[in-house]
Amino acid sequence: QVQLQESGPGLVKPSETLSLTCTVSGGSLSGYYLSWIRQSPGKRLEWIAYIYSGTTKYNPSVESRVSISVDTSANQFSLKLRSVTAADTAVYYCGLTADNRGGFDPWGQGTLVIVSS
Amino acid sequence: EIVLTQSPGTLPLSPGERATLSCRASQSVSSNFLAWHQQKPGQAPRLLIYGASIRATDISDRFSGSGSGTDFTLTISRLEPEDFAVYYCQQYGSSPLTFGQGTRLEIK
Repeated sequence: QVQLQESGPGLVKPSETLSLTCTVSGGSLSGYYLSWIRQSPGKRLEWIAYIYSGTTKYNPSVESRVSISVDTSANQFSLKLRSVTAADTAVYYCGLTADNRGGFDPWGQGTLVIVSS
Repeated sequence: EIVLTQSPGTLPLSPGERATLSCRASQSVSSNFLAWHQQKPGQAPRLLIYGASIRATDISDRFSGSGSGTDFTLTISRLEPEDFAVYYCQQYGSSPLTFGQGTRLEIK
C-alpha cells in the first residue's frame, strides 16, 4: 500500500524558507493530486497547495510565498514556504488524492515545524 | 472561499450509541465533493468518506455519510471505543480546499 513520509528541518528561523519533502513508497505518484496541508496549534486544518500533472494550485492565504514541485524519478514532491513567521508554526502533512476520488488518502504522518529564532 | 461549520463542537456519547455529526457549508459544495476525516491524538487524519457518501477503502460500514448542497452528515451507527476521536469535514469542490473546525467525539 502507498505510504507517505515527510522530511525536513523541525526548526526554521523567522524570515527564512521552510523546505519539506514528501517521499512516496509502495506506489507511483502518477494519477494523484499531491497536496500539502498544515495544522497549527488550536486552528483548523489548512490546505496549502497541490500539484497535478504539472499544474499547481495554491491557497490564496500563502500564494505569494509558496511553491510546490515534484520529482517523479525520486517519487517525491516538495514544498517551499518563504519569509516564514511564527504563524507558520504547524504540523505539516502531505497527502494524495486519486483523480477519481476525493479527500486525502493516504496522509503522511506529519512533521512539526517550529518557526523561532 | 467555502467556510465549513461543524456541529456540535463536542459530542459526549457512550459506546454502542449512535453518533450524528453535522457539517454546514457557506455555499453549495460543487458535485457534493465533501469528505470526512477521522483524527486520533498524535496521529495523522484518516479518510473515511468522500463524495459525501462513499466509504473509503477498508472503512467499516458503521460509518455512513449523507447530504447534498450545503448540509452534510456523518453517522456512526454503533460506537466502538476506537471511534472516539476528532472528525473533520472537508470540501474539494472549489479552491481553496477547506476544512471544518472539527467535532470531538468523547466518551460520556
